[in-house]
Amino acid sequence: KAGVTQTPRYLIKTRGQQVTLSCSPISGHRSVSWYQQTPGQGLQFLFEYFSETQRNKGNFPGRFSGRQFSNSRSEMNVSTLELGDSALYLCASSTDRGRAQTQYFGPGTRLLVL
Amino acid sequence: AQKVTQAQTEISVVEKEDVTLDCVYETRDTTYYLFWYKQPPSGELVFLIRRNSFDEQNEISGRYSWNFQKSTSSFNFTITASQVVDSAVYFCALSVGQGNLIFGKGTKLSVKP
Repeated sequence: KAGVTQTPRYLIKTRGQQVTLSCSPISGHRSVSWYQQTPGQGLQFLFEYFSETQRNKGNFPGRFSGRQFSNSRSEMNVSTLELGDSALYLCASSTDRGRAQTQYFGPGTRLLVL
Repeated sequence: AQKVTQAQTEISVVEKEDVTLDCVYETRDTTYYLFWYKQPPSGELVFLIRRNSFDEQNEISGRYSWNFQKSTSSFNFTITASQVVDSAVYFCALSVGQGNLIFGKGTKLSVKP
């Protein structure tokens, strides 16, 4: 089975721009979660999508949003980029929702905001 | 509140040494899951193990072993006879409630030849 894929792998943007990141989960996985990784804050949960609905959300501003399509693929959008948004954005998928699920991660998208 | 603490920021060992990575968690939930992930320089988090709160049996997988002790809220990870390929950042994570992972800050392991 193919793993979680994320595109693009690297991205450079300037402050004020917006960006869209894409994630394709493992085939058959219906839950997709997004995490932000920075040197200062570590790995932090952004949000989770299941059946095209946001089910859970972390403590991030409304500039961070996402969606999920009927094939479980997910996109994450960040509007009005700030320098502090520079990070590795990781997508994870699992077969179902809930704490018992093992989340499998993609390679991430490295975003640099100048 | 839920929290995961990995007190060791960096560990450096010589190949073939045994090394233990510590993980202490906090939660008031009685049902929870603990995970370990490995992050090589490429960035992808690689799943290593999942353990639920009702199963305190230790686990061994090849050179890897995990010691779960509810009494001390710890879930430590030991690599026996470490190898250079084990060099990576290792994360311990806790899952409660809706299932989002709460990560520790990670321990960077460097194994030198």
